[in-house]
Amino acid sequence: DGGITQSPKYLFRKEGQNVTLSCEQNLNHDAMYWYRQDPGQGLRLIYYSQIVNDFQKGDIAEGYSVSREKKESFPLTVTSAQKNPTAFYLCASSHRGRTTNEKLFFGSGTQLSVL
Amino acid sequence: GEDVEQSLFLSVREGDSSVINCTYTDSSSTYLYWYKQEPGAGLQLLTYIFSNMDMKQDQRLTVLLNKKDKHLSLRIADTQTGDSAIYFCAESMDTGFQKLVFGTGTRLLVSP
Repeated sequence: DGGITQSPKYLFRKEGQNVTLSCEQNLNHDAMYWYRQDPGQGLRLIYYSQIVNDFQKGDIAEGYSVSREKKESFPLTVTSAQKNPTAFYLCASSHRGRTTNEKLFFGSGTQLSVL
Repeated sequence: GEDVEQSLFLSVREGDSSVINCTYTDSSSTYLYWYKQEPGAGLQLLTYIFSNMDMKQDQRLTVLLNKKDKHLSLRIADTQTGDSAIYFCAESMDTGFQKLVFGTGTRLLVSP
């Protein structure tokens, strides 16, 4: 079945540590996105990529980094510079993303907590 | 500006209708969406409406759009306990790529 797989489901980070969240899709989508969800808030865009080897910052990119070496994969690294990393992280994908009605498909999310 | 607002919580009884409201501020939005999120899961697209439409019906779901007031609503008829979830409205921004601005989400609780 086609879909988006995020791993791990739960992740714990120690102070000063970088952690990487995995996102893989087999939907043959060109565009991929990372969102952060905090309780009582909407989703905020961290980074997005419209094509392999290219990505752009979203609204809250500070303290995060991404790569897009393969069409299927868009890993997110939460660096030690991100001082408040505890949140639910959602990966999404869509077709090229140029038009304004490209539906987003979401993964099941990763809950990141700080030890 | 980009700001999408929703009430945080709604409680209804099974069999009643639920109405979830959303206001947005960007009049250039072309599509508006409703997504559903069940506990510990990602978001699932429920329905969407093009900005030149007033209403869209899809089985138990009815979307109403008042573009003048920038108000969007989602009505769920015959609400079931399985409809309990968080509902997000989102507007698409015409930035040359698919950027969605999400509301804060409304938690719907359906009691038997």
